[in-house]
Amino acid sequence: KQEVTQIPAALSVPEGENLVLNCSFTDSAIYNLQWFRQDPGKGLTSLLLIQSSQREQTSGRLNASLDKSSGRSTLYIAASQPGDSATYLCAVRTGANSKLTFGKGITLSVRP
Amino acid sequence: GAGVSQTPSNKVTEKGKYVELRCDPISGHTALYWYRQSLGQGPEFLIYFQGTGAADDSGLPNDRFFAVRPEGSVSTLKIQRTERGDSAVYLCASSTGTSGSPQYFGPGTRLTVT
Repeated sequence: KQEVTQIPAALSVPEGENLVLNCSFTDSAIYNLQWFRQDPGKGLTSLLLIQSSQREQTSGRLNASLDKSSGRSTLYIAASQPGDSATYLCAVRTGANSKLTFGKGITLSVRP
Repeated sequence: GAGVSQTPSNKVTEKGKYVELRCDPISGHTALYWYRQSLGQGPEFLIYFQGTGAADDSGLPNDRFFAVRPEGSVSTLKIQRTERGDSAVYLCASSTGTSGSPQYFGPGTRLTVT
């Protein structure tokens, strides 16, 4: 059974800091991995999707990497801003159109 | 609208009642997913539709939960004899159905069973 872990559960950083959010998964036979952002009381916003054959994806100040063999992904946020404060979830998919298995998320607070 | 929509946004019901939650996917998306998110947890999978048929219903917790998608677009999640433990945010997502395509989520329905 696939399990996804995100540690720590919460993180607080000063504005402007570059930071890395970690995600690990137990079964390396994944199809792809997706990072999401969730604001309080809201749904999930897709940030980046990495296919199993890819090593990284970039969008603006965000960069996600994938090391499938070691069961790890990281989300790098450059020059963090207070508006980046949210919960970040990673999710893996084991089949082409199958369900996503989520971690519990990391709640990020960026202090002005 | 352009995104996934869900109604109602909030639903409060008494224990033992029946509820229906509705999801309107992005137009043209053939794949539709239901998840349930409890406080402080990541979403947990309930059921996945490809077109009108349930391709994977392995996440439904018991036979009180049922979902339909009769015309391959709108889906309804139905919960019978609700229990307090059913209280959660119910999220719907859709995708194009193309292999490996991203899932796009709606805002969710917050269900509270009193």
